[in-house]
Amino acid sequence: EPEVTQTPSHQVTQMGQEVILRCVPISNHLYFYWYRQILGQKVEFLVSFYNNEISEKSEIFDDQFSVERPDGSNFTLKIRSTKLEDSAMYFCARGLGQENYGYTFGSGTRLTVV
Amino acid sequence: AQSVTQPDIHITVSEGASLELRCNYSYGATPYLFWYVQSPGQGLQLLLKYFSGDTLVQGIKGFEAEFKRSQSSFNLRKPSVHWSDAAEYFCAVAPTYSGAGSYQLTFGKGTKLSVIP
Repeated sequence: EPEVTQTPSHQVTQMGQEVILRCVPISNHLYFYWYRQILGQKVEFLVSFYNNEISEKSEIFDDQFSVERPDGSNFTLKIRSTKLEDSAMYFCARGLGQENYGYTFGSGTRLTVV
Repeated sequence: AQSVTQPDIHITVSEGASLELRCNYSYGATPYLFWYVQSPGQGLQLLLKYFSGDTLVQGIKGFEAEFKRSQSSFNLRKPSVHWSDAAEYFCAVAPTYSGAGSYQLTFGKGTKLSVIP
């Protein structure tokens, strides 16, 4: 299957700054997800996006986070005011739904907040 | 709430030796089960998945996993490990039904595999 492309691969930002992480999935997929992995820890679910709306979010996904699919193909995760603890690898994933569980992950964006 | 336990944080095996990585889950019913592999600096690649049917699942790169309902386990195996298998391996579960239309995965903490030449 075609890969999921994430940009940038690495971003360094100052605490308090806004960051936007981008993901380019295939446009005919309905389900999109963001996960994060703090260094040395497990991968954690952030949010799922279905039919251009948030379908579910974890307790991690607080008011500092938002997701959009602004142009029908790109899928973005915005962190409004970054904190040191937001430093992590962020993965985008896409799926077709239940029939395609085990969906495809992007290669990730490593976010470093200084 | 569902959870996944991978009891081995780090395993070292010799090239050519057999491998078994353990995974236990906690869930109200039988969930969907997955194994992913992550090479350093890379994304997550799906090795195999179990939805239903035959409890022995074949995956890519010569890996297989066996679902044992009585033990709530989904252990990953490979008969002969190659140096290129050195990576981190994650077991994950997902609900078989989601009223919210969201099929998020719950991951274990991972097992790092080192391979000795």
